[in-house]
Amino acid sequence: AQSVTQLDSQVPVFEEAPVELRCNYSSSVSVYLFWYVQYPNQGLQLLLKYLSGSTLVKGINGFEAEFNKSQTSFHLRKPSVHISDTAEYFCAVYNTDKLIFGTGTRLQVFP
Amino acid sequence: DSGVTQTPKHLITATGQRVTLRCSPRSGDLSVYWYQQSLDQGLQFLIQYYNGEERAKGNILERFSAQQFPDLHSELNLSSLELGDSALYFCASSVSGTGPYEQYFGPGTRLTVT
Repeated sequence: AQSVTQLDSQVPVFEEAPVELRCNYSSSVSVYLFWYVQYPNQGLQLLLKYLSGSTLVKGINGFEAEFNKSQTSFHLRKPSVHISDTAEYFCAVYNTDKLIFGTGTRLQVFP
Repeated sequence: DSGVTQTPKHLITATGQRVTLRCSPRSGDLSVYWYQQSLDQGLQFLIQYYNGEERAKGNILERFSAQQFPDLHSELNLSSLELGDSALYFCASSVSGTGPYEQYFGPGTRLTVT
């Protein structure tokens, strides 16, 4: 079965610094990958998705991710974070009509 | 606002009881998914319905059941509740039952079993 691994449970960073949240997926012929964000006391919101085509995917709120087939990775990046980016971030892979989520990475942005 | 609504927002109940969680999908979405989020298990897929029919099943306990009604709203029934069932339960909807379409998540129902 397909799966994703989020390597960091917590990532602390200062405001305006760049950030990378790591996600690796189990190899498969076809893979569809997603990043969701969960702000405190809210549901999940889609940041971006990779279905096919360009390996650099741009999402909302200035986030982007790069699909790397050789590294089986789909890392999420932002060049300059804001306090408001403090949230839990989930990488997910689509697998037969459902999403399989990683364990999440808590991004904590400090002033 | 994703357009997916869930009620109630919070639910506190005792062990052994039964509760029903309700979800209304986005207008036009035919598929409803239920997920459980807990500290020890993370985000886990429970079950999917598409246009009234069960489409996929995940790690859903036999004490749990769900259905989707003709107006496409869905209910998740949890019975013989145990302390370990305390979690955040999310409903999500998508336009189709198959394919990697975006799933829109509701705000969740926080269940506390005491």
